[in-house]
Amino acid sequence: EVQLVQSGAEVKKPGESLKISCKGSGYSFTSYWIGWVRQMPGKGLEWMGIIYPGDSDTRYSPSFQGQVTISADKSISTAYLQWSSLKASDTAMYYCARHPTGGYFDYWGQGTLVTVSS
Amino acid sequence: SYELTQPPSVSVSPGQTARITCSGDALPKQYAYWYQQKPGQAPVLVIYKDSERPSGIPERFSGSSSGTTVTLTISGVQAEDEADYYCQSADSSGTYPWVFGGGTKLTVL
Repeated sequence: EVQLVQSGAEVKKPGESLKISCKGSGYSFTSYWIGWVRQMPGKGLEWMGIIYPGDSDTRYSPSFQGQVTISADKSISTAYLQWSSLKASDTAMYYCARHPTGGYFDYWGQGTLVTVSS
Repeated sequence: SYELTQPPSVSVSPGQTARITCSGDALPKQYAYWYQQKPGQAPVLVIYKDSERPSGIPERFSGSSSGTTVTLTISGVQAEDEADYYCQSADSSGTYPWVFGGGTKLTVL
């Protein structure tokens, strides 16, 4: 069974750094892209970026380029999304999802809620 | 940047047919994908490649494409189908990001 399990909710202050994780199981982690999707409170889905754990090839949406860093550790089947300096506007639910050939997402993690508040 | 347009809301009575549209200039060239998101839950893929249904998705969910519009059809709507629905696709060159539509709230009256 394919599973993506994300790390727990985070509460941070503006300016702090953060790294959230997404652990894949039940499939060959290095053979599928993993993507990150943002959902701000009460809003729609936003495609942030994807990574291919096999070789760490990474693609970002222009809207998120330079704002976040996507990485992966294939030895532990885990992808990451990180911020160096959080802003209040980063408050959102973040989903990881598996991305087979074709650009869509077939399996999703349960989401990680990030709250940034002073 | 590329955009996909969905109606904000659709309402139907139980047992009726719901149709949710998604419009985009590149849809004649690119497949569309549909996701269902219930409150407090992660999205679930319900249609891929315009009209294919993943295993485990009820047969009442179907997809179609005509020109620059794709449609998600839910036949015999049930109360449990009340959710937000999002389409996703790419621009004509297939480059990233693969955008999402703004979402449609399906209300079962």
